[in-house]
Amino acid sequence: NAGVTQTPKFRILKIGQSMTLQCTQDMNHNYMYWYRQDPGMGLKLIYYSVGAGITDKGEVPNGYNVSRSTTEDFPLRLELAAPSQTSVYFCASHPRGWSNEQFFGPGTRLTVL
Amino acid sequence: DAKTTQPNSMESNEEEPVHLPCNHSTISGTDYIHWYRQLPSQGPEYVIHGLTSNVNNRMASLAIAEDRKSSTLILHRATLRDAAVYYCILRDQGAQKLVFGQGTRLTINP
Repeated sequence: NAGVTQTPKFRILKIGQSMTLQCTQDMNHNYMYWYRQDPGMGLKLIYYSVGAGITDKGEVPNGYNVSRSTTEDFPLRLELAAPSQTSVYFCASHPRGWSNEQFFGPGTRLTVL
Repeated sequence: DAKTTQPNSMESNEEEPVHLPCNHSTISGTDYIHWYRQLPSQGPEYVIHGLTSNVNNRMASLAIAEDRKSSTLILHRATLRDAAVYYCILRDQGAQKLVFGQGTRLTINP
């Protein structure tokens, strides 16, 4: 298994541009999450999904959108990029039900100038 | 979400044990204590979790105080690869999300 994969690894955006961060997992996990991590800080939850077609907001959802059309994929969309969205974005997943362990991807480093 | 308090940083030597403390005085009866760590430039990875009893796995041990208001992650023999930020997280059994604090940055000296 490749686990949780994220693309791209790095991206620079101009203010007002849009982009989609891709996240895919091959473990057939129902639960998927998007976190952001600002420099020197812990991770904050943006959105999460408990299965295909079901998404919900986390702590910091403003400026982002998500969709979950398949079990494997959970893309994160930035519509109008702002400098405040400069961060490292991590996707994570775990199996159905309450689980002991979340599996994290390697992250996408996004800079908005 | 119940709050945890950890030291900002700790330092230890290679091949010595490391004890990473975590205070969680407002823990509820259904909160599990989870530890994750984040190696440089990587995503977090699961280390261990427990509810009331001490726990051991191949990576570490978790010692939980009898009143559950504090816990300690024990790395029995630190290696350079254990240098990371360690997060102590309380997770209610019904909650899906993990709430990360700032963690403890562990430095291992050769």
